Amino acid sequence: GESVGLHLPTLSVQEGDNSIINCAYSNSASDYFIWYKQESGKGPQFIIDIRSNMDKRQGQRVTVLLNKTVKHLSLQIAATQPGDSAVYFCAENTTPQGAQKLVFGQGTRLTINP
Amino acid sequence: DARVTQTPRHKVTEMGQEVTMRCQPILGHNTVFWYRQTMMQGLELLAYFRNRAPLDDSGMPKDRFSAEMPDATLATLKIQPSEPRDSAVYFCASGFDADTQYFGPGTRLTVL
Repeated sequence: GESVGLHLPTLSVQEGDNSIINCAYSNSASDYFIWYKQESGKGPQFIIDIRSNMDKRQGQRVTVLLNKTVKHLSLQIAATQPGDSAVYFCAENTTPQGAQKLVFGQGTRLTINP
Repeated sequence: DARVTQTPRHKVTEMGQEVTMRCQPILGHNTVFWYRQTMMQGLELLAYFRNRAPLDDSGMPKDRFSAEMPDATLATLKIQPSEPRDSAVYFCASGFDADTQYFGPGTRLTVL
């Protein structure tokens, strides 16, 4: 079946460095992708999204890149801070033109080392 | 600061008991989603509503789970009877049409 997956389950970076979290998706009909951040004991928090008619979108310290040719999504976090430590999930909307029926990846745990 | 609220935050119960989880979506949102999160399966969509009508509950075990929206400010997820394999964190999320989903803090359920 269709699924969203992540290449790496864990990632450790030094504070101040940039980090890149990758995600692969398999549903070519998906038209909307989202990155969520989940801190321990909390619900997923929206970070940034991108629609399939774009290949790059920037937010505050975060950038999402979408490569539809290879069905790959990445989240770049610039100048990482201790507060960035969390699990990051990518999700794809599998119901184009409808209410979001999201399929989530398994998540990547990002650890920021002082 | 508008937020999705969920009650209870923690629930410990014994196998066979009924469990009811409640969610208050963000005022003005017309879509409500129920998710379950476990270490093994990750985040799974159980059911979702639009304008209080159920759109999809294919992710939910039909024999024991039920989801309802008695009104626009309340969504409920009920498990009867509960089983140990139902132990998980249950999240509610709300949004407006196809816009971003905002998650609540979750209900951590433990079934002994």
